[in-house]
Amino acid sequence: QSALTQPASVSGSPGQSITISCTGTTSDVGAYNYVSWYQQHPGKAPKLMIYDVSNRPSGVSNRFSGSKSGNTASLTISGLQAEDEADYFCSSYTSSSTRVFGGGTKLTVL
Amino acid sequence: QVQLQESGPGLVKPSETLSLTCTVSGGPINSYYWSWIRQPPGKGLEWIGYIYYSGSTNYNPSLKSRVTLSVDTSKSQFSLRLTSVTAADTAVYYCARHGTMGGRIDPWGQGTLVTVSS
Repeated sequence: QSALTQPASVSGSPGQSITISCTGTTSDVGAYNYVSWYQQHPGKAPKLMIYDVSNRPSGVSNRFSGSKSGNTASLTISGLQAEDEADYFCSSYTSSSTRVFGGGTKLTVL
Repeated sequence: QVQLQESGPGLVKPSETLSLTCTVSGGPINSYYWSWIRQPPGKGLEWIGYIYYSGSTNYNPSLKSRVTLSVDTSKSQFSLRLTSVTAADTAVYYCARHGTMGGRIDPWGQGTLVTVSS
């Protein structure tokens, strides 16, 4: 199984909005609404930010939102804050009942 | 709330077997899926495999020939064995929970660094 495709880096200024894409295939992202997003600060374990494409766990800011169109899922962060600077990974369930992750995107808040 | 803690040797010699255990506390091990995920230094996440509390498993095809997962519900633990390790297996290893095969992976353990070196 191949890793999902994410941009290596994105950046934005405080208060702006950014979107991170996650492209898969008809065997993973395009096949199921089981896309999730994780935030990882240096030296820390990943933290769930979005699950089932667009659902937010309790405690996660509503500045984080998710969507999907075809084989591409997206994570949007609005009202960027300095604390949002981190690595972001997408993940999808696959038709082989396995999981696959994206390569990760480094978000820089300028 | 549920907490997961990885344990095991931090250093493994090339060609030997890497063994890690994840202890689940604050919640049941039954009725959940339990995954191992790893992250080489400075790189992305790689899903290794999952085990259901009943013992059924599924593995990453790229690692399937070297990986075995097991579960001990009486101890609220599940374990990872990875054979014939090389330097490419050096990574932080995380254990994590999910409620369905495709569902959200949450929570995660804090991770444990395993270095493969002679």
